[in-house]
Amino acid sequence: EAAVTQSPRNKVTVTGGNVTLSCRQTNSHNYMYWYRQDTGHGLRLIHYSYGAGNLQIGDVPDGYKATRTTQEDFFLLLELASPSQTSLYFCASSDERDWGDEQYFGPGTRLTVL
Amino acid sequence: GDSVTQTEGLVTLTEGLPVMLNCTYQTIYSNAFLFWYVHYLNESPWLLLRSSTDNKRTEHQGFHATLHKSSSSFHLQKSSAQLSDSALYYCALKTGGLSGKLTFGEGTQVTVIS
Repeated sequence: EAAVTQSPRNKVTVTGGNVTLSCRQTNSHNYMYWYRQDTGHGLRLIHYSYGAGNLQIGDVPDGYKATRTTQEDFFLLLELASPSQTSLYFCASSDERDWGDEQYFGPGTRLTVL
Repeated sequence: GDSVTQTEGLVTLTEGLPVMLNCTYQTIYSNAFLFWYVHYLNESPWLLLRSSTDNKRTEHQGFHATLHKSSSSFHLQKSSAQLSDSALYYCALKTGGLSGKLTFGEGTQVTVIS
């Protein structure tokens, strides 16, 4: 069973604050992803990575940085948080050995920027 | 770029009646892999079913869908809705090989009432 964990589960910060969201997967998956989920927009890809040290830009990258330090760990950084970044953030991982491989999602981090 | 359209944002159904959630997609690529993910409140999204085979019905947990490349559609259906089907349903598209990148629709929030 795939296991993806995220921390913190909830975070409140102020405008201009620095936030780091953490994600760890223990299934030796090569690919990891960061999404944000907003009503009316669905899941939108922020950044993704296919291995340690690799970073790919997603569909909504503005205001976000990411870093993949190991195969297991993927971090999302908001260096100057804004209220528009208030959202539910999901991390996911996948193997991608086959075209139809599924993505396994973490439990989510709810971020509020005041 | 790729896009996925889910026309219903909110669907309210009576228990026992059939369910149909629409999903259409656009891509310049001839190869397309379509997915349905389900997201229950306070849980992680997970894969419900997937297909890349034209005109072949795929089924899982009482739900089914058929990929029709001629109409670029992958509608999700169930013959009889249950209260436990209340959730957010996402249609997603993958093209272009093993990049892992999914394009999600905006999601359909389903509420089943008795």
